[in-house]
Amino acid sequence: EVQLVQSGAEVKKPGESLKISCRGSGYNFASYWTGWVRQVPGNGLEWLGTIYPADSDTVYSPSFQGQVTISVDKSISTAYLQWSSLKASDTAIYYCARRYTKYSPIDFWGQGTLVTVSS
Amino acid sequence: EIVLTQSPDFQSVTPKENVTISCRASQSIGTSLHWYQQKPDQSPNLLIKFASQSIPGVPSRFSGSGSGTDFTLTINSLEAEDAAAYYCHQSYNVPFTFGPGTKVEIK
Repeated sequence: EVQLVQSGAEVKKPGESLKISCRGSGYNFASYWTGWVRQVPGNGLEWLGTIYPADSDTVYSPSFQGQVTISVDKSISTAYLQWSSLKASDTAIYYCARRYTKYSPIDFWGQGTLVTVSS
Repeated sequence: EIVLTQSPDFQSVTPKENVTISCRASQSIGTSLHWYQQKPDQSPNLLIKFASQSIPGVPSRFSGSGSGTDFTLTINSLEAEDAAAYYCHQSYNVPFTFGPGTKVEIK
């Protein structure tokens, strides 16, 4: 059974750093692109970027380039999304999601990680 | 960046009615357009890929059509469990983008 299991909800203060994770199982993790999608509660979906675990090739949305870092540890089938300095506007649910090829549809989603940034 | 617009924003529908949701791209994207359903407090779920290709396990009442810039998701004979937000998504060009969503409510 394919699973993308994300780390738990986080509450942080502005300026703090954070790294959330997404562990894939039930398929060849290295052979699928793993990406991240943001959803502010009550709002729509925004694509942040994606990484290919086999060679760490990474593509970012220009809107999020420099704001977040996507990384992967293929030895433990886990992708990461990282912030060095959080802002209140980063408050959202973050989903990890896989694609078979770079231009395929997202065919499986993680359960989401709620990140709350508040002073 | 390719902008996707959806219409309508919101639709209130009685069971067994047919629903049509439109998605328009700001430039031609071939058939690299996919549809997702998101129920409250759940992750999105793939309904249709590449404009019209069905997904195993998705009820046959969901169908898609279109190419280029204009796409349509049709739900035939809506059921109560179809209450959700529906999003189109393009994977033609980076940055990949989503439409703003259409919320379908059951009367």
